Amino acid sequence: DIQMTQSPSSLSASVGDRVTITCQASQDISNYVNWYQQKSGKAPKLLIYDASNLETGVPSRFSGSGSGTDFSFTISSLQPEDTATYYCQQYDSLPYTFGQGIKLEIK
Amino acid sequence: QVTLRESGPALVKPTQTLTLTCTFSGFSLTTGPMSVSWIRQPPGKALEWLARIDWDDDKYYSRSLRTRLTISKDTSEKQVVLTMTNMDPVDTATYYCARQRTSVGSDAFDIWGQGTMVTVSS
Repeated sequence: DIQMTQSPSSLSASVGDRVTITCQASQDISNYVNWYQQKSGKAPKLLIYDASNLETGVPSRFSGSGSGTDFSFTISSLQPEDTATYYCQQYDSLPYTFGQGIKLEIK
Repeated sequence: QVTLRESGPALVKPTQTLTLTCTFSGFSLTTGPMSVSWIRQPPGKALEWLARIDWDDDKYYSRSLRTRLTISKDTSEKQVVLTMTNMDPVDTATYYCARQRTSVGSDAFDIWGQGTMVTVSS
């Protein structure tokens, strides 16, 4: 199975900060990565698909990049409502696998 | 509007079989490309993909759980059913179903149900 490793393990930042989360795949997965946001007690929500495409209706402060084994997810200007856990997920090969999640808190 | 809703027992005993139903609306699972997956999340832990069923009835399973899982669909009732045998306390989790939006070079869980919490305890 392809392992997805996210870093840092947790993150605390201030409103307005630029925040970047990284995700490393255990093998080359081209651009076959999605990013999800999960708020407390809620289902995950798709934010970025195919590594860099913004899902319809998602604010433009969210972005993604990368290919091969290294991927990043960025919030350009952190907002209070961005408090959540963020997951990367690969779909290069079955079984689909997720990263361990990064909990983002607002200072 | 696309919606999915999971239903099933909140509590099962060890060794029992769990049956979960995902009832969906706003899309069809009779024409492709379209798929529905089940994903679970133990309390405080990460997401784990379990199984997928395609519009043409192809089925795929988690490698580690494949002997315990069965996924099926009832397209007339717009439902996808997951059964998991021999339940254990480590299977305690919130179980989600999600629609998969697929195309050449793209595959994402774009709409999720609210999830259903299942506790395994005697």
